[in-house]
Amino acid sequence: EAGVAQSPRYKIIEKRQSVAFWCNPISGHATLYWYQQILGQGPKLLIQFQNNGVVDDSQLPKDRFSAERLKGVDSTLKIQPAKLEDSAVYLCASSSHYGYTFGSGTRLTVV
Amino acid sequence: AQSVAQPEDQVNVAEGNPLTVKCTYSVSGNPYLFWYVQYPNRGLQFLLKYITGDNLVKGSYGFEAEFNKSQTSFHLKKPSALVSDSALYFCAVREIDTGRRALTFGSGTRLQVQP
Repeated sequence: EAGVAQSPRYKIIEKRQSVAFWCNPISGHATLYWYQQILGQGPKLLIQFQNNGVVDDSQLPKDRFSAERLKGVDSTLKIQPAKLEDSAVYLCASSSHYGYTFGSGTRLTVV
Repeated sequence: AQSVAQPEDQVNVAEGNPLTVKCTYSVSGNPYLFWYVQYPNRGLQFLLKYITGDNLVKGSYGFEAEFNKSQTSFHLKKPSALVSDSALYFCAVREIDTGRRALTFGSGTRLQVQP
């Protein structure tokens, strides 16, 4: 089966600019996750979707981060405005009964 | 709340020697436990998981892990390390008895295998 697709692979922006990341999960996976992985740390959950509904967004900085999963398939994560501390790899994952699959991530550098 | 601790930032081992990467967890109920490996500029790659049953779980590339409920541990092991095993390893937990399906990760352990 095809993996979880993410784009872009890399993005460099200036602080206060906006940026968006895209994720296409494995076909048929109802649950989709966005994680933030800061250099030297483990991935931290930002938001979890079940189909097109939000299950958990308790760790999403809602003043600047937003995410949507229209039609319950692909998803976008947006940051506006970006801060220096948002520099990280943003991982998308999807899951089924059998397990979790992670995309290769988008590496964001805020300068 | 669920949490994972990986007490070692880095583990160094000589090629051919056995390796252990430690992980302890905390959940309110029963856990699902996972190990993932991450190579530079790559996503997380699944190694193995414990769901139920035998406490010794065998996974990809010769890795195994032992679930110890009394010590709340899930250490990753391999009998003979390879240089190509050098990477970043993450332990993760999910609590079975809640609807929260997201994984909680540890901070990671860098494994360095010397030739």
